[in-house]
Amino acid sequence: DAGITQSPRYKITETGRQVTLMCHQTWSHSYMFWYRQDLGHGLRLIYYSAAADITDKGEVPDGYVVSRSKTENFPLTLESATRSQTSVYFCASSEGHNTDTQYFGPGTRLTVL
Amino acid sequence: AQSVTQLDSQVPVFEEAPVELRCNYSSSVSVYLFWYVQYPNQGLQLLLKYLSGSTLVKGINGFEAEFNKSQTSFHLRKPSVHISDTAEYFCAVFDQGAQKLVFGQGTRLTINP
Repeated sequence: DAGITQSPRYKITETGRQVTLMCHQTWSHSYMFWYRQDLGHGLRLIYYSAAADITDKGEVPDGYVVSRSKTENFPLTLESATRSQTSVYFCASSEGHNTDTQYFGPGTRLTVL
Repeated sequence: AQSVTQLDSQVPVFEEAPVELRCNYSSSVSVYLFWYVQYPNQGLQLLLKYLSGSTLVKGINGFEAEFNKSQTSFHLRKPSVHISDTAEYFCAVFDQGAQKLVFGQGTRLTINP
């Protein structure tokens, strides 16, 4: 089915482990985004990408790494997970920027023990 | 940097009653404003957006919002809510300087029968 998917939907890991969250979209949208959602903070942008091989930091990038070798994929890696990274992570995509609608995936709930 | 303030963290209403969810944004020369909805255990989806033109914007599911430049507000309204409108609602503004979407902290709308 067309759309934007995330995997896994739920993940439990331990402090210090590396974790990769996957995001895949079938629209060939240029822009892709990673947000984290925490109580009291709404959604905060971690990283975004304007095209393959072009990425930029958002509001809270520390502790995260992204790559975008293909237009349709935008994985997010936590190099050494910390408890403060326990959150719900949303991937989104849009055709363009600023005025264009962002389409969100279903989210990944990550717990770091 | 632009910011958004959602004035109510929770709004309980009875079914078929009208509702208004309040949103104020930091003033700017030009502004792009959005309302997104998040149903339980799902990602966000766009309800409506204001880019320019008519200050009354109609969205999906019977929602509408009014852009008020003098009061720097973009309140969301629905004349008669349904149980299925139970969700979290996010107001967002596109920050032209930072080139990113900035979300408010969300308003949880609860519909009581």
